[in-house]
Amino acid sequence: DAKTTQPNSMESNEEEPVHLPCNHSTISGTDYIHWYRQLPSQGPEYVIHGLTSNVNNRMASLAIAEDRKSSTLILHRATLRDAAVYYCILESNAGGTSYGKLTFGQGTILTVHP
Amino acid sequence: DSGVTQTPKHLITATGQRVTLRCSPRSGDLSVYWYQQSLDQGLQFLIQYYNGEERAKGNILERFSAQQFPDLHSELNLSSLELGDSALYFCASSPGDSRNTIYFGEGSWLTVV
Repeated sequence: DAKTTQPNSMESNEEEPVHLPCNHSTISGTDYIHWYRQLPSQGPEYVIHGLTSNVNNRMASLAIAEDRKSSTLILHRATLRDAAVYYCILESNAGGTSYGKLTFGQGTILTVHP
Repeated sequence: DSGVTQTPKHLITATGQRVTLRCSPRSGDLSVYWYQQSLDQGLQFLIQYYNGEERAKGNILERFSAQQFPDLHSELNLSSLELGDSALYFCASSPGDSRNTIYFGEGSWLTVV
């Protein structure tokens, strides 16, 4: 499976935008980029996913580099509730692959200051 | 609330024992996944069932087994427990076996003493 690299931790102030980077230089042309987050004492929660184009939803935006070797999760206005571990995951679209077989890395611990 | 229900929430048992973790997927979801989260290994995929059939296997030990029943609930059986099996076990579900959002439960904390 292609690997992702994320900073171990990041800090932000409440109400400010947060840009969480992810490097995936060995991504294949059919790999989807997924972001999940895990709040304290909870299971992982889906945030967003994309293939080539930038994506927006009510939670966040996903900016994907033109060469697809990196991506950035953007939280437009961080709240205290956004403090979590954020995981960038590549999902292979190869034939026969289980779409739920996600390979979680160490993720980025996001701290949000009041 | 993701809609995925796991029981029990906490479980303490002794080495060598056997436990069963139960999962009720979201209404209508056909796929169930089991993940293990430990301090040293992080979140690891164990196994997936789709409509009662095993679909994919990850790093699941031979001492562990799972099944999905006709009503789509799933059970993860852990036997001959060792101290290293202490972890948080998550169940997740999705509508089908294609690209869907995966919804995770709140997990079952297993402590082996």
